Amino acid sequence: EPEVTQTPSHQVTQMGQEVILRCVPISNHLYFYWYRQILGQKVEFLVSFYNNEISEKSEIFDDQFSVERPDGSNFTLKIRSTKLEDSAMYFCASKQREYNEQFFGPGTRLTVL
Amino acid sequence: AQSVAQPEDQVNVAEGNPLTVKCTYSVSGNPYLFWYVQYPNRGLQFLLKYITGDNLVKGSYGFEAEFNKSQTSFHLKKPSALVSDSALYFCAVRGPSGGGADGLTFGKGTHLIIQP
Repeated sequence: EPEVTQTPSHQVTQMGQEVILRCVPISNHLYFYWYRQILGQKVEFLVSFYNNEISEKSEIFDDQFSVERPDGSNFTLKIRSTKLEDSAMYFCASKQREYNEQFFGPGTRLTVL
Repeated sequence: AQSVAQPEDQVNVAEGNPLTVKCTYSVSGNPYLFWYVQYPNRGLQFLLKYITGDNLVKGSYGFEAEFNKSQTSFHLKKPSALVSDSALYFCAVRGPSGGGADGLTFGKGTHLIIQP
């Protein structure tokens, strides 16, 4: 069964460094998402991406964040200058059509020191 | 703004008994509602959804949920609980806007513990 994959599973970085989190959505899916879950808190929406552009973003998704689909398979989340409060589990998700459910990847745990 | 409430941090049920995990929502217009389950160190797995139609929806692993518009609720149920159902359950809602502008709003999650 096809699934969303994410790399790396765990990323440790120093405050102020740039990080890129990578996702490979399910191959025939058209809608892509990033969410984060700070330890012990709820899952929060960051951004949705469709037709090669951002279709919605939350207030969390400020100028430090960017997303890109550099080729036909990868979907990336970049944090330009990480802060301690960016430490969280980041989930990528994708779906095929508008009224379908989203399928989530296993997540990348980002630790900012 | 849309929101989801899961009033119980934890639900304890004996194996074989029916279970209910509660969810209420607030959204403008018709809601699209989802339940996801998260096992330790895993991503979220889709269980079921309500988009339109029959208020009782059936999903994976014997779970079902009942949409109640007047009470703005979407409680998750299962007639007979298994120990393997023990996990963290999330209710989520998206508003009626389309075109990819459909980020999910999640509840804080409910730990379901099934006791042998």
